[in-house]
Amino acid sequence: GAGVSQTPSNKVTEKGKYVELRCDPISGHTALYWYRQSLGQGPEFLIYFQGTGAADDSGLPNDRFFAVRPEGSVSTLKIQRTERGDSAVYLCASSLTLGTGELFFGEGSRLTVL
Amino acid sequence: AQSVTQLGSHVSVSEGALVLLRCNYSSSVPPYLFWYVQYPNQGLQLLLKYTTGATLVKGINGFEAEFKKSETSFHLTKPSAHMSDAAEYFCAVSRAGRDDKIIFGKGTRLHILP
Repeated sequence: GAGVSQTPSNKVTEKGKYVELRCDPISGHTALYWYRQSLGQGPEFLIYFQGTGAADDSGLPNDRFFAVRPEGSVSTLKIQRTERGDSAVYLCASSLTLGTGELFFGEGSRLTVL
Repeated sequence: AQSVTQLGSHVSVSEGALVLLRCNYSSSVPPYLFWYVQYPNQGLQLLLKYTTGATLVKGINGFEAEFKKSETSFHLTKPSAHMSDAAEYFCAVSRAGRDDKIIFGKGTRLHILP
């Protein structure tokens, strides 16, 4: 596709379950970002990748959150032992390269933890 | 640490009137500054950015912003509002040349009155 694709668009899970959110960036984009957006708030930085490596993961809230990008394209955000406070829209963005500041965002994955 | 403050979570202007959305930033090093817009049911998209050079930057849809270092501000303006400008606007900052972690403000929802 032409844009950043995120799946699922909606995910409802129960407290304590494991969740994976997938991001398919724009083809050829080397940088990939994950943000989290709660109601009434701006996007909160989680992590960004350059290629396969996490360049900065300082925004991951705790060790229940983990993200991978094994082949430098698709990325998966993994959340273990979900809590109600994890409910939010998880946004993925990609950029042609680092340094441009021009992020192309997907429409997000809405996670609801019951 | 970097941060941005957007004054006013909601701003209403009449169609045809001046749009002014305020953003102040905090950064220990020279910043890169951005405005992103989120239209209903769409992903965020870049409106404009300041990196180096001219302090008045022009973006899409007639918007512009001026970087004022002395005031640590990067306010967004448009001379004449259009109904299609109704959206949420986010100011963001990163550390110029240091890393690509982009920090967003909480957003300002712009309402256009007929």
